[in-house]
Amino acid sequence: GAVVSQHPSWVICKSGTSVKIECRSLDFQATTMFWYRQFPKQSLMLMATSNEGSKATYEQGVEKDKFLINHASLTLSTLTVTSAHPEDSSFYICSAIGNYGYTFGSGTRLTVV
Amino acid sequence: GENVEQHPSTLSVQEGDSAVIKCTYSDSASNYFPWYKQELGKGPQLIIDIRSNVGEKKDQRIAVTLNKTAKHFSLHITETQPEDSAVYFCAASSNNQGGKLIFGQGTELSVKP
Repeated sequence: GAVVSQHPSWVICKSGTSVKIECRSLDFQATTMFWYRQFPKQSLMLMATSNEGSKATYEQGVEKDKFLINHASLTLSTLTVTSAHPEDSSFYICSAIGNYGYTFGSGTRLTVV
Repeated sequence: GENVEQHPSTLSVQEGDSAVIKCTYSDSASNYFPWYKQELGKGPQLIIDIRSNVGEKKDQRIAVTLNKTAKHFSLHITETQPEDSAVYFCAASSNNQGGKLIFGQGTELSVKP
């Protein structure tokens, strides 16, 4: 089946620094990837949609200059949290659409200290 | 845009009993309705899905029903086991929204042995 590899699985960073999260589709081409954020005991909230070779589309209320998304190839999308603050601490999950429907990454636990 | 409401937020059942989780959606153009199981610290795992041209789908102990007129769909788990304990999310998507998958609030299911 389809696999999306997400790295890192967890990261701790200092306030003010940037963190990059990668999602790779291992055995299929993902023309579209979605990025979600999940706070403890809450649902997955869609942050943005990225399409290969074009600018990402952000959901209302999501700062595009803070959450930089790059989808430069059919197998790789990245989310960079810039100038991270403690309130950005969350679980970030990517999802790709392929021939098998939606495939989710395993998530990245970001803690900003 | 799409809005998905899920109930109940918590559900506790005895092992062997059935569990039912219900969701409603707002966008009549939505045509794909998956259910996910999420364990702590992991990405969501698809357990069953249904498309709008089908009213019911079953896979062993799990079934999903869809009422397009009323815009609601339900997850039914029979003969529950302790390993079914997890958080379950419903979701909905439509081609009109670029395939964005919008999640319900989640249900924490606890199966007591």
